[in-house]
Amino acid sequence: SQQGEEDPQALSIQEGENATMNCSYKTSINNLQWYRQNSGRGLVHLILIRSNEREKHSGRLRVTLDTSKKSSSLLITASRAADTASYFCATDDAGNMLTFGGGTRLMVKP
Amino acid sequence: DAGITQSPRHKVTETGTPVTLRCHQTENHRYMYWYRQDPGHGLRLIHYSYGVKDTDKGEVSDGYSVSRSKTEDFLLTLESATSSQTSVYFCAISEGTAWDYGYTFGSGTRLTVV
Repeated sequence: SQQGEEDPQALSIQEGENATMNCSYKTSINNLQWYRQNSGRGLVHLILIRSNEREKHSGRLRVTLDTSKKSSSLLITASRAADTASYFCATDDAGNMLTFGGGTRLMVKP
Repeated sequence: DAGITQSPRHKVTETGTPVTLRCHQTENHRYMYWYRQDPGHGLRLIHYSYGVKDTDKGEVSDGYSVSRSKTEDFLLTLESATSSQTSVYFCAISEGTAWDYGYTFGSGTRLTVV
């Protein structure tokens, strides 16, 4: 079962534009994490936001968390072709493990 | 990926044969995980380990077993491979609990069962 569900499933934008992906989850969490996966590679941890945080930044990434709506968003500003990848949210709803959503496939066209 | 390697990277095997995938880490992390990734299902947890000889089942553990005799190695065995186990398998490690730390993933093993 997937705790987190990303929306949209796929997103295509031009280089320089901003990309926004959303994640909804079902149960209470301690933190929510975002990961990137380039084609044929393993997932790479991007950012972790705790349940008592509302917003977090890391470089061109901005993550928000709304625990009342059980949702999070990942914003990538000034996107580059190298940002083309799949992005996954993950939650720690099940103890010492993460549950991943189905991912958003982002394509950034040069 | 730095600190974690999976072997083999690719494997084709026949239905009914046993298969063992290896995950090796050099980070001395306590937690290790095996996930499978399939189109339409995202990543699903197979088994995980919270220490040497301490393992537990995940969401899709049927048909799989694991062993961890050393901190650095976590083995995933398909007892008798079936076509439904064709997938990409990822190992992940974590320094601590999921609510404090993120995962570091290996590069994956693409397994095809014919």
